Amino acid sequence: GAVVSQHPSRVICKSGTSVKIECRSLDFQATTMFWYRQFPKQSLMLMATSNEGSKATYEQGVEKDKFLINHASLTLSTLTVTSAHPEDSSFYICSAEGERGVGNEQFFGPGTRLTVL
Amino acid sequence: AQKVTQAQTEISVVEKEDVTLDCVYETRDTTYYLFWYKQPPSGELVFLIRRNSFDEQNEISGRYSWNFQKSTSSFNFTITASQVVDSAVYFCALSAYNQGGKLIFGQGTELSVKP
Repeated sequence: GAVVSQHPSRVICKSGTSVKIECRSLDFQATTMFWYRQFPKQSLMLMATSNEGSKATYEQGVEKDKFLINHASLTLSTLTVTSAHPEDSSFYICSAEGERGVGNEQFFGPGTRLTVL
Repeated sequence: AQKVTQAQTEISVVEKEDVTLDCVYETRDTTYYLFWYKQPPSGELVFLIRRNSFDEQNEISGRYSWNFQKSTSSFNFTITASQVVDSAVYFCALSAYNQGGKLIFGQGTELSVKP
């Protein structure tokens, strides 16, 4: 099956720093990638949709200046949490939909656990 | 608006019991897809099934089975003869064909299977 990787898998940072999370589709080209956030004991909430070569589309309530998304190639999307604060601590999951995305199927990365001290 | 409701927050069963996880969805779209995912403690989502809105046939895969009923907007998931390894959080999700692939997740059901 299609493989999506995320890096890093876990990151701890100090409040006020910026953190970049990478999402890569390893064996297929992803025209669209999605970023989700999951707080403990809660569901996954879509943050934004990114299409290769264009600006990301953010869901209502998600600050685009705080969560910078770049989808520079068909295999890589990055999420940068700028000036992170403890309330940004969460599990961030990306998914990719591409040439294999038949029937809206998305392939999920393993997630990145962010802890902001 | 699209919505997925998993009314059961937590379920606890003893090994070998059968268990059904409920999922009710709302959408105005006529073409859509329904999914079930398993999320073990590691956090990685495991894809279980995708069903499109035109296919109401029930599906069985080993100990897993799914019952899709458009009349009640439900897509329930049954695990037969549950095992401890089935312990996880299970999410039902909806994706409308004309919504750019966005997945709307239910709240999740935490299943605990005790030996």
